[in-house]
Parts: sequence; C-alpha cells; structure tokens
Amino acid sequence: GDSVTQMEGPVTLSEEAFLTINCTYTATGYPSLFWYVQYPGEGLQLLLKATKADDKGSNKGFEATYRKETTSFHLEKGSVQVSDSAVYFCALSEETSGSRLTFGEGTQLTVNP
Amino acid sequence: GAGVSQSPSNKVTEKGKDVELRCDPISGHTALYWYRQSLGQGLEFLIYFQGNSAPDKSGLPSDRFSAERTGGSVSTLTIQRTQQEDSAVYLCASSFTGGRSYGYTFGSGTRLTVV
Repeated sequence: GDSVTQMEGPVTLSEEAFLTINCTYTATGYPSLFWYVQYPGEGLQLLLKATKADDKGSNKGFEATYRKETTSFHLEKGSVQVSDSAVYFCALSEETSGSRLTFGEGTQLTVNP
Repeated sequence: GAGVSQSPSNKVTEKGKDVELRCDPISGHTALYWYRQSLGQGLEFLIYFQGNSAPDKSGLPSDRFSAERTGGSVSTLTIQRTQQEDSAVYLCASSFTGGRSYGYTFGSGTRLTVV
C-alpha cells in the first residue's frame, strides 16, 4: 500500500539557517505529493504541492521537487524564520485510493532567534 | 463559509457515552474526508465521501465509529460507547472532485477527550 516516510524530528535551527526535511514515498501509481504545515494551535494548511514528476511546488520561500526516480519530495527553505516553527507533514494522494491523503508522521521544526 | 468549519472545537466526555462531531465543508466541495490525529499515531484516515457515491469506510477503526453526510454537504462523525483510546483531534477536510490536483482544505479540528 501507499506510505510516506519523513525525516525524524524534532529539528531545531537558528534563524536564517537552511532547512531540509526529507520525505520519501511508496505508491503503486503516480501520486500527487503535498506538504502541509500545522502551526501551534491551528489546523493543517496546504503549504505546497506537485502533481507530476519533476514539478516543483513552492510557497512562502519553501520548495519541494517531485523526484520520481528517487521517490522523494524533500522540503527546503534557504533561510528559516522564527515564524516557520511548526509541524510539517508530507503526504501523497493516489487516484487508486480514492484520492485520500496518506500522511507521513510529521516533523516538528523549532526556529530559535 | 470561507473555510471548513468543525464543531465543537473541544469535547470532553465520559467513557461509554456517545459523541457527535460536525463538519461543514466549503460550499461546492464534493469530497469530504475525516482524519484522526493522535499523539504518536500521526494522521489516520477514517472515512471519505465523494458526491452521491457510497462512502469509503475502510479507515474506521471499529463498528463504534460511523459517519453520514446529508444532502452532500454537512457531515457528522458519531462515536458510540467512547473509550479512552478514542481521545484525539478529529479533522475534517473537503475538496473539489480531483482533490489530488487541487489540494484539500482542513478544518481546525475537534479535540475529543474521553475521561
């Protein structure tokens, strides 16, 4: 079945540091890939997405590229801010599974000033 | 409304009682999903509604859990004879048909505590 494996957290960085959160997936077909973010006390928000191989999703300075050859969708940001502190979830959706989302375990990011 | 609305935001109930959780999806969204977020369990799919099709109930953990969606809009998740392990945040999401292309909008969730 479908699965998503995320880099284990928690991750603690200083402001302006470079961020990478690794995400790899297993799927039977050609999934769409997503990153969701959950800020403290809030619901899940879509951060970015990619629907086919080699697509790059980007938003708020975050980027992730759909790599079919390595089945990966790593999240990157060149310079993190304190306000980026949140839990980040990688997820996939396949038509064969009714388009529901399969999530990774989540990675807690803390950015210190 | 502008977003997915869930109520109540918090619910404390005694073990053995029944609870109902409500989700108002974004107007026009044909697909509706329920997920559960537990400590140490991540996000767990529960049930999926798409238009008038039969729901995909494959994620419901036991027959104490049920959900319905009336008129293709509002959905209610019912948990009967609640147990302590049911304590979690229950999240609802909605999307247009083809959510895998457009993305899914989540509500803020209902935090259920069974005591």
